[in-house]
Amino acid sequence: EVQLVESGGGFVQPGRSLRLSCAASGFTFDDYAMHWVRQAPGKGLEWVSGISWKSGNIGYADSVKGRFTSSRDNAKNSLYLQMNSLRAEDTALYYCAKDVGEEWTDGLFDYWGPGTLVTVSS
Amino acid sequence: DIVMTQSPDSLAVSLGERATINCKSSQSVLYSSDNKNYLAWYQQKPGQPPKLLIYWASTRESGVPDRFSGSGSGTDFTLSISSLQAEDVAVYSCQQYYGTPYTFGQGTKLEIK
Repeated sequence: EVQLVESGGGFVQPGRSLRLSCAASGFTFDDYAMHWVRQAPGKGLEWVSGISWKSGNIGYADSVKGRFTSSRDNAKNSLYLQMNSLRAEDTALYYCAKDVGEEWTDGLFDYWGPGTLVTVSS
Repeated sequence: DIVMTQSPDSLAVSLGERATINCKSSQSVLYSSDNKNYLAWYQQKPGQPPKLLIYWASTRESGVPDRFSGSGSGTDFTLSISSLQAEDVAVYSCQQYYGTPYTFGQGTKLEIK
């Protein structure tokens, strides 16, 4: 059974940093691209970042480019999102999602974790 | 960016009746080289993450009941639930994976009348 479990969320002041993690199990992690998708309170889903199976290719939404960095450790079956210079508008539930393919440019998400909440406020 | 617009924002349907949700993209998500529409539908029940229901606009994900169906091509798409069940109460969102950034509709909240 595919399982994705995010962690690392919390309350942080504007301008500070936070690192999210996603632990994956139940599938061959390094065969698939992975993504971060967020959902602000009461809002729709917003794709944040995708990373290909070998970490060679990574994509970001313009809203986070230059502030967020995705990475993965295939030996640990883990996905990470380093979030710097956080803003109030980054407040959201952050989901880790598995892609159906190897490349982040495939863009179809077949499994999602329960999410971890990030709140940015002074 | 491709803008995805759903209608209606909310919908109340009686049990056993048909529910229809529409999704319109600001540009075509039909890829001419493979003749596939890069359009997916997700179901999100309260307190749960999204669940993939349909991809390629009309292909049901494994395990999804056949009362769920998707149709449409180009820029206009529809998700239909043929006979609404109580467990179908959820927010439904469309997503295009034709191009980056991947974008979602705002969601349609489906309730029981």
